[in-house]
Amino acid sequence: DIVMTQTPLSSPVTLGQPASISCRSSQSLVHSDGNTYLSWLQQRPGQPPRLLIYKISNRFSGVPDRFSGSGAGTDFTLKISRVEAEDVGVYYCMQATQFPFTFGPGTKVDIK
Amino acid sequence: EVQLVESGGGLVQPGRSLRLSCTASGFTFGDYAMSWFRQAPGKGLQWVGFIRSRASGGTTEYAASVKGRFTISRDDSKSIAYLQMNSLKTEDTAVYYCVGGRSGVYWGQGTLVTVSS
Repeated sequence: DIVMTQTPLSSPVTLGQPASISCRSSQSLVHSDGNTYLSWLQQRPGQPPRLLIYKISNRFSGVPDRFSGSGAGTDFTLKISRVEAEDVGVYYCMQATQFPFTFGPGTKVDIK
Repeated sequence: EVQLVESGGGLVQPGRSLRLSCTASGFTFGDYAMSWFRQAPGKGLQWVGFIRSRASGGTTEYAASVKGRFTISRDDSKSIAYLQMNSLKTEDTAVYYCVGGRSGVYWGQGTLVTVSS
């Protein structure tokens, strides 16, 4: 199975300041079809997860442009350019390149 | 508006069965692969299984922890995905989410399954 790791596991952030989350996979996430199925999901308290970023860097419909994804191969990053109060929650990276799909442990973002 | 609505959760005794349904609307259900994920209380997310679209063969994949006990199916004419869960164990207790798209595009609100005697 592909193991996904995330750092940091907790990120207290000042409103208006940037935040960055790193995700690393134990093997390359490049699929045989040429795509890299690395997604970022946000789970606000008491809510189901929602998709923010798919295939490394594609922002999903309705996601604010302060969220951006980057990376390649085994190293990926989610950046929030200016954290807002509504961004509080847990952020997961997920690989859907190889079965079983696997998740990082989650990064808890809260406000200082 | 895209909606995925899970139903069928509840309290069940170990060893019994339960079938979850996921009713989709707002997108072309038949064009999408569908997955089931789960989240145990206070824990992270775990993938349960996957069913390809009919165009991609409609075949299924499962997590090792549920293989042989859980079965995913779909009825494209009704835009419904199913998760048949047999021989339930206490460790299957979780909120189960129905998800559309390989990349986790559309998520339902989830349905709680509690396995306890």
